[in-house]
Amino acid sequence: DAGVTQSPTHLIKTRGQHVTLRCSPISGHKSVSWYQQVLGQGPQFIFQYYEKEERGRGNFPDRFSARQFPNYSSELNVNALLLGDSALYLCASSPWTAVGQPQHFGDGTRLSIL
Amino acid sequence: GENVEQHPSTLSVQEGDSAVIKCTYSDSASNYFPWYKQELGKGPQLIIDIRSNVGEKKDQRIAVTLNKTAKHFSLHITETQPEDSAVYFCAPDREGSGNTGKLIFGQGTTLQVKP
Repeated sequence: DAGVTQSPTHLIKTRGQHVTLRCSPISGHKSVSWYQQVLGQGPQFIFQYYEKEERGRGNFPDRFSARQFPNYSSELNVNALLLGDSALYLCASSPWTAVGQPQHFGDGTRLSIL
Repeated sequence: GENVEQHPSTLSVQEGDSAVIKCTYSDSASNYFPWYKQELGKGPQLIIDIRSNVGEKKDQRIAVTLNKTAKHFSLHITETQPEDSAVYFCAPDREGSGNTGKLIFGQGTTLQVKP
């Protein structure tokens, strides 16, 4: 079975631009979460979506937004990119949102801002 | 909010030795305790987890122990192999409004296993 897939794998943008990152969860998984991982640190929670509704939001500015589609895939959008947005963006899926549901991570999108 | 700390930040062992990584958390309501392994260029992968009603869990060379009173849990790797070299993260979780599925990761421990 296919795991969590993310696209693109790498992306280079300049300050002020916007970016859209995509995630396809494991088949049957209805919950998708997004994390930002800056080099040398642990992942930081950005959003969680379940059944197309936002169920959780981390401490990120309004420049960050996301949505989930009827097929449970998801997009993360970042507007007005800053140098500090350079990071690995990880998507994770799980069957539902209950605690103790192991989250399965994709290999991420490496975003570089010039 | 939850404060999660891992120690040590780096760990170097000889192949065949044991490695122990400790995770300390602040939220006494935490009741799910996973460990993730992240290899270079990859996303974190769950390697073992434990729930608050269990004190210890073992899976071949990997084990996790939990001390809820002291609010820490540890990852134990025995007979280490070069392929165990990676960054390890703890991510305690708890039930509660708005917190389900939101993992708060420690800062990571880089394990190097020397052949």
